[in-house]
Amino acid sequence: GNSVTQMEGPVTLSEEAFLTINCTYTATGYPSLFWYVQYPGEGLQLLLKATKADDKGSNKGFEATYRKETTSFHLEKGSVQVSDSAVYFCALNTGTYKYIFGTGTRLKVLA
Amino acid sequence: ETGVTQTPRHLVMGMTNKKSLKCEQHLGHNAMYWYKQSAKKPLELMFVYNFKEQTENNSVPSRFSPECPNSSHLFLHLHTLQPEDSALYLCASSMGQGTYEQYFGPGTRLTVT
Repeated sequence: GNSVTQMEGPVTLSEEAFLTINCTYTATGYPSLFWYVQYPGEGLQLLLKATKADDKGSNKGFEATYRKETTSFHLEKGSVQVSDSAVYFCALNTGTYKYIFGTGTRLKVLA
Repeated sequence: ETGVTQTPRHLVMGMTNKKSLKCEQHLGHNAMYWYKQSAKKPLELMFVYNFKEQTENNSVPSRFSPECPNSSHLFLHLHTLQPEDSALYLCASSMGQGTYEQYFGPGTRLTVT
């Protein structure tokens, strides 16, 4: 079946460090891929998405590239801020109403 | 109000109570979803409605009963819950499926005592 695997957290970084959160997927067909972020006490909000191979999604300094050959969609940011501390979820959809989410990766950024 | 709203934000109920969670979306979307979020587990899809018709029921116990009177409103009726049902319940909506992203409400934190 379809699935998403994310790296276990928490990931702890100093401010201005480089961030990578790994996400790999298993899916039939050509899924759309998403990254969501959840701040404390809030619901999930879309961070970026990519709908076909080699697409790069980007938003607020975050980027992720849809790599079909490695079935990956790793999230990167060049310089993290304390305000980026949150839980990040990778997700996919293969064209149904079932969105498949990873378990989430908690990011802590220290000043 | 904009986006997706949920009420109440917090709910404590006993195992014999009956309560309801409410979700409203102001985005003109066609599809609405209920998810359960528990610590250290992936988001669990519970129910999906598209144009008021239920399209997914992810083997959810009958003590959870959804209702979708129109495309903007979604309810989750709760009765005789168990302590393991304590979780954050998230509502979401989307314009469609596949490439469309979901918009989430802030959630209802449910505690079953």
